Amino acid sequence: DAGVIQSPRHEVTEMGQEVTLRCKPISGHNSLFWYRQTMMRGLELLIYFNNNVPIDDSGMPEDRFSAKMPNASFSTLKIQPSEPRDSAVYFCASNLGTGQETQYFGPGTRLLVL
Amino acid sequence: GQNIDQPTEMTATEGAIVQINCTYQTSGFNGLFWYQQHAGEAPTFLSYNVLDGLEEKGRFSSFLSRSKGYSYLLLKELQMKDSASYLCAVSAYGNNRLAFGKGNQVVVIP
Repeated sequence: DAGVIQSPRHEVTEMGQEVTLRCKPISGHNSLFWYRQTMMRGLELLIYFNNNVPIDDSGMPEDRFSAKMPNASFSTLKIQPSEPRDSAVYFCASNLGTGQETQYFGPGTRLLVL
Repeated sequence: GQNIDQPTEMTATEGAIVQINCTYQTSGFNGLFWYQQHAGEAPTFLSYNVLDGLEEKGRFSSFLSRSKGYSYLLLKELQMKDSASYLCAVSAYGNNRLAFGKGNQVVVIP
């Protein structure tokens, strides 16, 4: 299996621009998770989906952040408008979603907002 | 809510043993995971504990005490490639999410 796939791997943008991060979970996995990692706050869960339905979005910082999962093999995390404080590494992870299983992480997107 | 505490950094010599601690507070505890994260890379799964006791997996072992809200990861025969951040993460009943600690940075020196 190819593992969790994320794109782009790196993104540099200017404040105010829209940023779209993409994720393809491992085939057959029913749960998908979006995390943000910074030195100050560590690894934080933003939102997770089960069977394409958002289950818990309590970690989404504010209305500038939105996430969608239109089908079982694709999800997006959008930031509009972006701000310098959004600079972080954004990870996508997936698991089977049937119990307490390991989450498998993608390589991450390193976002820098100038 | 969940509260997870990990010390921040330690340095150890190649071949030595290091213990990384994690304390947590959560309602409906349903397991604790340890992940390894090399600089610039994604976290990768190391171990999972849900019952009290020690789980051994090669050079790595993980221990859990549910009554004390405490776990440790033991790294034996340290190698340079073990230099990484080690994250503990707690799951709770009723959901599929993990709450991560901030991680403990281990630096292995020759």
